[in-house]
Amino acid sequence: AQSVTQPDIHITVSEGASLELRCNYSYGATPYLFWYVQSPGQGLQLLLKYFSGDTLVQGIKGFEAEFKRSQSSFNLRKPSVHWSDAAEYFCAVGPLTGGGNKLTFGTGTQLKVEL
Amino acid sequence: DAGVTQSPTHLIKTRGQQVTLRCSPKSGHDTVSWYQQALGQGPQFIFQYYEEEERQRGNFPDRFSGHQFPNYSSELNVNALLLGDSALYLCASSPRRPGITANYGYTFGSGTRLTVV
Repeated sequence: AQSVTQPDIHITVSEGASLELRCNYSYGATPYLFWYVQSPGQGLQLLLKYFSGDTLVQGIKGFEAEFKRSQSSFNLRKPSVHWSDAAEYFCAVGPLTGGGNKLTFGTGTQLKVEL
Repeated sequence: DAGVTQSPTHLIKTRGQQVTLRCSPKSGHDTVSWYQQALGQGPQFIFQYYEEEERQRGNFPDRFSGHQFPNYSSELNVNALLLGDSALYLCASSPRRPGITANYGYTFGSGTRLTVV
């Protein structure tokens, strides 16, 4: 069965510092990969996605993620964090074929930004 | 352009009761998916509807059922509520287009917070 692991439950960074959130997946084949952000009381907003091609993908709000097939990872990065980035971040996967388009999410990483 | 609208935003129910949650999809979207997000967890897929039929289902008991109407809006029904059903219920709409990647164009609603006491 497919699964997504986000090993860091909580991360605290200082404003202006760089950020990396980890995501590993277990899947029968390389799935589609996503990062979502959830602010308190809000739904999920898509930050970026990987379908194919260049393994470094750019997203909104200055985020990027790198797909590494050999490590089954899709880590999210940002060079300089802003206080408004404080939120919960979810990595998700979806099947390429045969499984519809349902998403399987990780348990999330709560990001706190210190001013 | 309105996004996904969910109602109500908050709900408190007693164990054993039944609840109905509602979702209006984003304009232009005809597929509705429901997810359950327990506290401290990621969203878990419940089921998906398009063309007024359940098309995919996650690992949830039959107490969870749904419906989709001709205008693409959807309802999630949960019978015989348990304390463990307390969660944020998210609705996500998406389009059905040729090519699977377009079908991942989800828009999520802000959710309904269900508390079972």
